[in-house]
Amino acid sequence: TQLLEQSPQFLSIQEGENLTVYCNSSSVFSSLQWYRQEPGEGPVLLVTVVTGGEVKKLKRLTFQFGDARKDSSLHITAAQPGDTGLYLCAGDFFDSNYQLIWGAGTKLIIKP
Amino acid sequence: DSGVTQTPKHLITATGQRVTLRCSPRSGDLSVYWYQQSLDQGLQFLIQYYNGEERAKGNILERFSAQQFPDLHSELNLSSLELGDSALYFCASSAPGGGDTQYFGPGTRLTVL
Repeated sequence: TQLLEQSPQFLSIQEGENLTVYCNSSSVFSSLQWYRQEPGEGPVLLVTVVTGGEVKKLKRLTFQFGDARKDSSLHITAAQPGDTGLYLCAGDFFDSNYQLIWGAGTKLIIKP
Repeated sequence: DSGVTQTPKHLITATGQRVTLRCSPRSGDLSVYWYQQSLDQGLQFLIQYYNGEERAKGNILERFSAQQFPDLHSELNLSSLELGDSALYFCASSAPGGGDTQYFGPGTRLTVL
C-alpha cells in the first residue's frame, strides 16, 4: 500500500517567517504534485515535479523532489497571510493503472 | 476557474434521504474523480471513472454509487444518508491518460440534519 505522509499536520507562524513542509513516502513516484486549498474551495495545482532532485520555484515558494523520488518539500520564504491554506501533496504512482496518492495535508496559518 | 462545474453548491437534507451530486468535467477530459472531505481533513478518494467506465475505487461506502454518462458528466449518488456523511464532495477531472494533473470543481457542501 502506497502512503504519503505530510508533516507537520498544522503550522501557525507570523508573517515574514520562513517555513518548510514535507511530503514523504516509502514508494517511488513518477511525479509529485503540490496543491493549495483555501477554505470552501477545491484544491488548485501549484506545481508538478518529475525528475529526482528537481527544484522548482514559484515566486516565494520553492519545491524540491528528492533524489530517489520518494519525498518532496515545499519551502516558503517570507510567508504572507495570503499563503494561508491547506497544502496537499499527491504522488503519481504507476501500478496496473495510474493512481494518484494523496497526503492528508498541512494546514498553514500565517498571522499578520 | 478550473473549468469543472459541480451542482448544487449547497445541499441540506435529512438522515435516511438520498441525494445526487452532479459534475461536468473540463472540455476534453475523460477522467472524473470523486472525493469526500470532512471538516479540517484531507481528501478521501472515493471513485474514478474514465470514459464511462469505472477505473479505480477508493473508500467508497456501499450506500454510495457513481456513474459517468456518454457526454462524460458524472453523478454521485448518496443514499440512506447519515449525519457523518456531512462533508464537502469534490469532483475533479484530468486529461486522457488518467494520471495527469487533476482540476477540481468548487465542491458541493452536503449537510445532513
